[in-house]
Amino acid sequence: LAKTTQPISMDSYEGQEVNITCSHNNIATNDYITWYQQFPSQGPRFIIQGYKTKVTNEVASLFIPADRKSSTLSLPRVSLSDTAVYYCLGELIWGAGTKLIIKP
Amino acid sequence: SAVISQKPSRDICQRGTSLTIQCQVDSQVTMMFWYRQQPGQSLTLIATANQGSEATYESGFVIDKFPISRPNLTFSTLTVSNMSPEDSSIYLCSVEFGVAEAFFGQGTRLTVV
Repeated sequence: LAKTTQPISMDSYEGQEVNITCSHNNIATNDYITWYQQFPSQGPRFIIQGYKTKVTNEVASLFIPADRKSSTLSLPRVSLSDTAVYYCLGELIWGAGTKLIIKP
Repeated sequence: SAVISQKPSRDICQRGTSLTIQCQVDSQVTMMFWYRQQPGQSLTLIATANQGSEATYESGFVIDKFPISRPNLTFSTLTVSNMSPEDSSIYLCSVEFGVAEAFFGQGTRLTVV
């Protein structure tokens, strides 16, 4: 049975790089890994998606090792507005969410 | 991308009653999804709704409790039937473009008293 696990919370400071890692036990070979951001009282917002190796877009990078048992979302130079809950998703199974708090 | 409008944004309902949540998308989509998010928790998929066929429900969710309509490619409804306080949650609809890139509505915050 597939399971997605991520840390409950993280703190960081403005300007730092933040890495959030998710474990994907028993993820199916054909499933993508996706990360979402959610602010209070809003629906989740797509950040990035990947299958293997590294993917980069204008807001984040996603690292997925060859065994695909984990994924790491990397947010470069975070700001206060990046304070949110970040969810990883694999095989339609959502992680519990990581509450990221950015301090000045 | 897609703009998804959900109505109502919130409601307080009496136990034993039913509430229908509407989801309107600004473009035609094949698949629409309904999720539940209980306070402080992750999202749980309730069902997948394809136009022209019956919705597919995930384990723990049944059609009698959560009937879904999908009359066309831009609209869907989810009804929460015979509500109890345990149904108090945020309900979200989403649509998917490409491989698992989903867009979500703002959600409907339901409180059952």
